[in-house]
Amino acid sequence: NAGVTQTPKFRILKIGQSMTLQCTQDMNHNYMYWYRQDPGMGLKLIYYSVGAGITDKGEVPNGYNVSRSTTEDFPLRLELAAPSQTSVYFCASSPGSNYGYTFGSGTRLTVV
Amino acid sequence: KNEVEQSPQNLTAQEGEFITINCSYSVGISALHWLQQHPGGGIVSLFMLSSGKKKHGRLIATINIQEKHSSLHITASHPRDSAVYICAVSTMDSNYQLIWGAGTKLIIKP
Repeated sequence: NAGVTQTPKFRILKIGQSMTLQCTQDMNHNYMYWYRQDPGMGLKLIYYSVGAGITDKGEVPNGYNVSRSTTEDFPLRLELAAPSQTSVYFCASSPGSNYGYTFGSGTRLTVV
Repeated sequence: KNEVEQSPQNLTAQEGEFITINCSYSVGISALHWLQQHPGGGIVSLFMLSSGKKKHGRLIATINIQEKHSSLHITASHPRDSAVYICAVSTMDSNYQLIWGAGTKLIIKP
């Protein structure tokens, strides 16, 4: 019963560095999402995917890239990290539209 | 005006009290979600509903489509219910992007 697994849980990056946030789900969900949550704020959608090979931009995609080569995995790539990307990142999945979401435990990223 | 509004923003109650959190929305929706975010940050989906009422344990969620309003009720509240409760809607225009309420911070005192 792993659900949605995110790694790492914490990371500190220097400005200009790059990294990939991993997200894996074992529920065979078609839909996957990446959100960021800034301190004291609500979630903002970065990218989403409705199936393997299909991705689309959300509300705040700049500075990020994603891929969806398999149903299970939906990694989020940060290129040239900036302090504005300091946030908590949540990956989520759902079987389809109008279904409940399952969230990962989050990745707390600090860019210094 | 936000498309999804929650009230109250903050709520402090004593253990055992009946809790009501409200969510109003101004867009056409295909579904409404209630989620819980614990102080540690984890997010749990509580309910997804498009009509009527759902119950899970001490939690009850209702929705009135005509009035564009939903409520989340907690019966016999307990300190472990302390969390931020978030209402979010998926619209008829896009099932993929949820519109999020600002959340209601609930504190239950023993």
